[in-house]
Amino acid sequence: TQLLEQSPQFLSIQEGENLTVYCNSSSVFSSLQWYRQEPGEGPVLLVTVVTGGEVKKLKRLTFQFGDARKDSSLHITAAQPGDTGLYLCAGEAGGSYIPTFGRGTSLIVHP
Amino acid sequence: NAGVTQTPKFQVLKTGQSMTLQCAQDMNHNSMYWYRQDPGMGLRLIYYSASEGTTDKGEVPNGYNVSRLNKREFSLRLESAAPSQTSVYFCASRENRGAIYGYTFGSGTRLTVV
Repeated sequence: TQLLEQSPQFLSIQEGENLTVYCNSSSVFSSLQWYRQEPGEGPVLLVTVVTGGEVKKLKRLTFQFGDARKDSSLHITAAQPGDTGLYLCAGEAGGSYIPTFGRGTSLIVHP
Repeated sequence: NAGVTQTPKFQVLKTGQSMTLQCAQDMNHNSMYWYRQDPGMGLRLIYYSASEGTTDKGEVPNGYNVSRLNKREFSLRLESAAPSQTSVYFCASRENRGAIYGYTFGSGTRLTVV
């Protein structure tokens, strides 16, 4: 069984602060995705990374895939209350189309 | 709007009752999935269907059955509900072309078994 460990589990910060969420595994993934889930809704895809060392930016969010494709990070610059939500990472191995999800990082950004 | 539609949004069942959760997608995706989400446990795969006519067990299939009715619809059935099946259930779909395409989720069914 492939496991994805996310850290931290909870994060409570003030508006304007920076933060990083980590997603780690001992397994190699062919792709890794990040989702944000708001209360009462399903997860929504933010980004997919597929190449070791790849960095993608989505406005104030920066996503990085580790060189060995075993880990990933999500960095948010100058967090805003609208960033509040549950952030999930999901990895796929070898084109299986069966993802392994991390347990999520619950982020609260206080105004 | 294109996407994944789940019904019902909320349901309360008594122990032993049965029900079917419905899911339909209009994106012509090949693969469809059923997950349950519990506090602290993340998303756990119940069943999936890689293509029309096929279904396979996921991580937590016990107590559930599924039907891939056609390419659009994938239903989840609880034959005899138990309190342990109280959860939020999500249906998702995915295109089988390339890793860049992620999963599209429905908005969930919140099920309580009393």
